[in-house]
Amino acid sequence: GDSVTQMEGPVTLSEEAFLTINCTYTATGYPSLFWYVQYPGEGLQLLLKATKADDKGSNKGFEATYRKETTSFHLEKGSVQVSDSAVYFCALSDNTGFQKLVFGTGTRLLVSP
Amino acid sequence: IAGITQAPTSQILAAGRRMTLRCTQDMRHNAMYWYRQDLGLGLRLIHYSNTAGTTGKGEVPDGYSVSRANTDDFPLTLASAVPSQTSVYFCASSDSTGAGYTFGSGTRLTVV
Repeated sequence: GDSVTQMEGPVTLSEEAFLTINCTYTATGYPSLFWYVQYPGEGLQLLLKATKADDKGSNKGFEATYRKETTSFHLEKGSVQVSDSAVYFCALSDNTGFQKLVFGTGTRLLVSP
Repeated sequence: IAGITQAPTSQILAAGRRMTLRCTQDMRHNAMYWYRQDLGLGLRLIHYSNTAGTTGKGEVPDGYSVSRANTDDFPLTLASAVPSQTSVYFCASSDSTGAGYTFGSGTRLTVV
């Protein structure tokens, strides 16, 4: 079945450091790819998405590019802030009608001042 | 405010008891979903519904049931709770194309 693998956490960075969180996927067909963010005590919020190969999703300084050749969707940000501390989930949707999401295990990001 | 309301926010439940987690959305989304979130496992789909009157099983449906009597409500029932059902439960909804995928704020359930 479809699956998503993302890097183990926690990722600990200083403010203004560069962030990369790796995500790779296995899927039949052409899934849509997503990054969700979960702040402490809250539900998940969509951060960005890409629906086809070579698409770049971006939001709030975060970016991710849909790479079909490497089946990857790595999340990047050039300069992280303390307020970016959260858990980040990579996910895919198989676009077969029911929009069921398959999630990675999540990566906790801790940003210190 | 448009969105998803889940209740209760948290609950401690004795093993063997029956429990219904409530979920209501006001966005007129056709599709609704229940996920559970466990440390190290991410979110896993329990049940889903594509439209009122229909439901389907997700990745981890055992021990749970759902109903979809109307568009807005999608309750999740644990008929006889067990400690392995201790988790955070999230309800979500989307339109039929997957757009507008929205999560509720979750229910933290502890089965003792």
